Amino acid sequence: GAVVSQHPSWVICKSGTSVKIECRSLDFQATTMFWYRQFPKQSLMLMATSNEGSKATYEQGVEKDKFLINHASLTLSTLTVTSAHPEDSSFYICSALTSDSYNEQFFGPGTRLTVL
Amino acid sequence: QKEVEQDPGPLSVPEGAIVSLNCTYSNSAFQYFMWYRQYSRKGPELLMYTYSSGNKEDGRFTAQVDKSSKYISLFIRDSQPSDSATYLCAPGLGSNYKLTFGKGTLLTVNP
Repeated sequence: GAVVSQHPSWVICKSGTSVKIECRSLDFQATTMFWYRQFPKQSLMLMATSNEGSKATYEQGVEKDKFLINHASLTLSTLTVTSAHPEDSSFYICSALTSDSYNEQFFGPGTRLTVL
Repeated sequence: QKEVEQDPGPLSVPEGAIVSLNCTYSNSAFQYFMWYRQYSRKGPELLMYTYSSGNKEDGRFTAQVDKSSKYISLFIRDSQPSDSATYLCAPGLGSNYKLTFGKGTLLTVNP
């Protein structure tokens, strides 16, 4: 199956700093990637849809200036949490759509962010 | 009312039991229905998906959809300790490929 990786898998940062999370499709090209956030014992909440070469589409209530998404190539999307605060501590997961299975999202292993 | 409701459990069963996991949804526009399995601190992995009402079987897993009552189920036969995980239902819209996840049901299969 299609493989999606994320880096880093775990990051701890100080309040006020910015953190970049990478999402890569390793063996396929992904025109669309999704970014989710998952709090403990909660479901995955979609933050934004990222299309290669265009601006991301953010879900209602998600601050686009705080969560910067860049999808510069067909295999890489990045999420930058700017001026992180403790309430941003969460599990961030990306997924990618393959071109030949249009609605099947393959998920990365997630990135655990802890903001001190 | 949330778009997707799923009993979070936890659900604990003995090895070999038949497990029934369920979700209800409110958006009649959902066109396809996914089931994901998520182990602790890992990303979800796709188990099964179906487009229409009825049953779909894959090994020990059966997905069932009833669009008239907006009810989706996942059955696991001969459950194994390795099935212990959180199971997430996720219906989706065909137009934008977005999925709406349920809260997930935490399942523990005891040896």
